[in-house]
Amino acid sequence: KNQVEQSPQSLIILEGKNCTLQCNYTVSPFSNLRWYKQDTGRGPVSLTIMTFSENTKSNGRYTATLDADTKQSSLHITASQLSDSASYICVVSGQAGTALIFGKGTTLSVSS
Amino acid sequence: NAGVTQTPKFRVLKTGQSMTLLCAQDMNHEYMYWYRQDPGMGLRLIHYSVGEGTTAKGEVPDGYNVSRLKKQNFLLGLESAAPSQTSVYFCASGKIPGLLAYEQYFGPGTRLTVT
Repeated sequence: KNQVEQSPQSLIILEGKNCTLQCNYTVSPFSNLRWYKQDTGRGPVSLTIMTFSENTKSNGRYTATLDADTKQSSLHITASQLSDSASYICVVSGQAGTALIFGKGTTLSVSS
Repeated sequence: NAGVTQTPKFRVLKTGQSMTLLCAQDMNHEYMYWYRQDPGMGLRLIHYSVGEGTTAKGEVPDGYNVSRLKKQNFLLGLESAAPSQTSVYFCASGKIPGLLAYEQYFGPGTRLTVT
């Protein structure tokens, strides 16, 4: 069964600290993996998209890594800010055009 | 560009009532999607459309109908609302996924409560 598992479920960090969120997937065949940020009460917004041939991609303070062999991805947030408080969702796509498979998300709270 | 917009933002229905959620996009995207998001669960696909006049079922289509009469609009209908349909509904649109990593753009969501 195609699944996307994220850990931890929730995380609290102090402003300025770094953190890493994990995503494991069993989707096959694999086409691409995305990380979305969803603020409370808003729709998801794309942070990064990686195909099977890419193993890292950055978007400002966000860096995503992908290991297609072990089917794992991580999202590293550097120098966290209060505005980083949100849910971070890992999404995997099989063959191009097929439905996206969403993880349940990691809820990140950044406190001052 | 407004991107993807959804109306209404909030709605409370009584069991058995009907309603239509409207999604509009101004990016000339071919593909449009309706998802629902429930606490503790990932987004789940209800229905999707690959172009004007076409629709297809997703993972959880029961109790919903959709129509895509115009390329820019995608309507989600609930004919007889049930408490199990209490959820946040998101619409998304995207280009033809011929590329490996096409993007999906999400609307702000509609929070629906069925009592």
